Amino acid sequence: DAKTTQPPSMDCAEGRAANLPCNHSTISGNEYVYWYRQIHSQGPQYIIHGLKNNETNEMASLIITEDRKSSTLILPHATLRDTAVYYCIVSGPNAGNMLTFGGGTRLMVKP
Amino acid sequence: DAGVIQSPRHEVTEMGQEVTLRCKPISGHNSLFWYRQTMMRGLELLIYFNNNVPIDDSGMPEDRFSAKMPNASFSTLKIQPSEPRDSAVYFCASSDGQGRTGELFFGEGSRLTVL
Repeated sequence: DAKTTQPPSMDCAEGRAANLPCNHSTISGNEYVYWYRQIHSQGPQYIIHGLKNNETNEMASLIITEDRKSSTLILPHATLRDTAVYYCIVSGPNAGNMLTFGGGTRLMVKP
Repeated sequence: DAGVIQSPRHEVTEMGQEVTLRCKPISGHNSLFWYRQTMMRGLELLIYFNNNVPIDDSGMPEDRFSAKMPNASFSTLKIQPSEPRDSAVYFCASSDGQGRTGELFFGEGSRLTVL
């Protein structure tokens, strides 16, 4: 029972912004949106998370709609090294932080 | 910090053999997770420990799988007997449950092939 819906794949030109969408229409009031990515043959890597406010860090920006039913991860200047599978995950703030990974979006950054 | 350390990185074994995968979490982290990744099923959470105690093992496929965490710096995932369908990459992850940030730190994984 996936809590999030993501497009299976996307392309982006190198140097351009990559905007990865995620739908989470059944998100609960205390659930966070997390983004991870997995580069081929490596373990998943945490990118960013948010509750209801937009967030930015050195890797990316997270835009969450006002109704919190969807969000967008933005990589402002995509590089070839950003080619990976990006996972959008919804999870509660409990101490266990159990994360359930869905299928993700396979982002291909092209020269 | 060395990050989450898993061993072995690669394991090839024959059906029926016992397999033991090992994980050393990041020092100071009190939550540990075992995930399995296959092409067909993606990333699946197998079991989660908090303060060395198994909290949720509902993802463990069957009785052939067992996991232990004898202390805060070591965990094992054992498969006995192994079967070809157990072939997968097994990831260990740890987090600072106190922070409740949902930021898991994953190891590089152990790629298991059961012939």
